[in-house]
Order: sequence, then structure tokens, then C-alpha cells
Amino acid sequence: DAMVIQNPRYQVTQFGKPVTLSCSQTLNHNVMYWYQQKSSQAPKLLFHYYDKDFNNEADTPDNFQSRRPNTSFCFLDIRSPGLGDAAMYLCATSRVVAGGQDTQYFGPGTRLTVL
Amino acid sequence: AQTVTQSQPEMSVQEAETVTLSCTYDTSESDYYLFWYKQPPGRQMILVIRQEAYKQQNATENRFSVNFQKAAKSFSLKISDSQLGDAAMYFCAYIAGGTSYGKLTFGQGTILTVHP
Repeated sequence: DAMVIQNPRYQVTQFGKPVTLSCSQTLNHNVMYWYQQKSSQAPKLLFHYYDKDFNNEADTPDNFQSRRPNTSFCFLDIRSPGLGDAAMYLCATSRVVAGGQDTQYFGPGTRLTVL
Repeated sequence: AQTVTQSQPEMSVQEAETVTLSCTYDTSESDYYLFWYKQPPGRQMILVIRQEAYKQQNATENRFSVNFQKAAKSFSLKISDSQLGDAAMYFCAYIAGGTSYGKLTFGQGTILTVHP
């Protein structure tokens, strides 16, 4: 089945130790998104890629970066995680639909713990 | 800026009964899309139903239906014949039209408990 896959599902890192989260998709969608969801809160968009074009939200901290080496994969890099970065990180994808908006399809998320 | 408000942090329903989750939004756009997503505990977020603002007819998907009141900027979700598997966090979400992709703005979510 076509899907959005995130690895790992659970990640523990130490304060200040760089960490990379992975997302892959078999949907062949043009657009990939990274959302941050803190406990019992709504997801918040960090950035997205349209093909290789990167779009950063204005309030996304510089500590967060992303790479998309090809259509299928997208990575979230946190350069120096702080305690406040502990959250669920959700990857989503969508197609580009002329004159409309496609539904965004979400992966299962990676829960990041910062010690 | 667009905002989405879910005024019910928690709701509960008896199995087989009907429950309605509320959502209001604020936008100055005329072209937009609304969604209800379901996020079961520890599991991924999945689409329940979507509504295009230009469509007057309310969307339905099996036991799930919406009451879309464009003038009132209200978008409620009705779940009929509730099942134990409906227990989850439900998010209402908005996305502007005009571009072919973009940022989903979510409400704060409503935790739905289904009692057997």
C-alpha cells in the first residue's frame, strides 16, 4: 500500500546532540511537510518542500533544518536539540492539484525525547 | 491570519449514539478547504472528511457527516452510530485555496471517548 513512513518511531537524544528524523513516501507526491506537535497541542508546520523548493515558516527556529535528496525522502535535522524540542514530529505529503488543494497524508510520527 | 477554534477539549458518547464535534474558523478568504482528521492514541493522523468551501452540499463519508455553515464560519462533525474505534483526538483543519498546496491550520483538538 502507498504510504508515508517515518523512522524511527521513537528517538531519544541528549541535550545539544544533533538528531535526524527520516520520512519516506511511496505516494510520489510533490510536496512534503514537517509538522511539530507538542503534547496535547495542534500540529504546527515547520517547513515544506515543493519538489526541491524549500519553504520555511517564519517562526521556525534556525535549529531546525531539512533536506530532500529525492522525491521519496525528506529529513528533519535538529542541530542542537533543547528540552523544548521534545515533541511528536509528523511528516505529511500531498500532490499539487491545479486549481485545488489535495488532502495531506500523514505518517505515524516520530516521538522525540530530549534528555 | 486564519484561525481554527475547537471549543470542546473533550467529548464523550455512548456506543451506537450520535455525537457532534464543533469547529469554527476565521478567514477573509473565499476559497478554502476544511478537514476533519482523526488521531487515535499513538497512531497516525488520518483524514475523516473534507469539505470544499465552494460546495454548498455538506460532505458525508459513511457514518461521518459535516454541517458546513459558510456564513457563520462553522464546520461541525457528526458521528452517527458511534463505535469504540471512533475514540481518538479529532482535529479540525483549514487550508486556503488559491495555491495548489499549503499550510494546514489546525484547531486545538477534541478528545472523543466512546463508552461501551
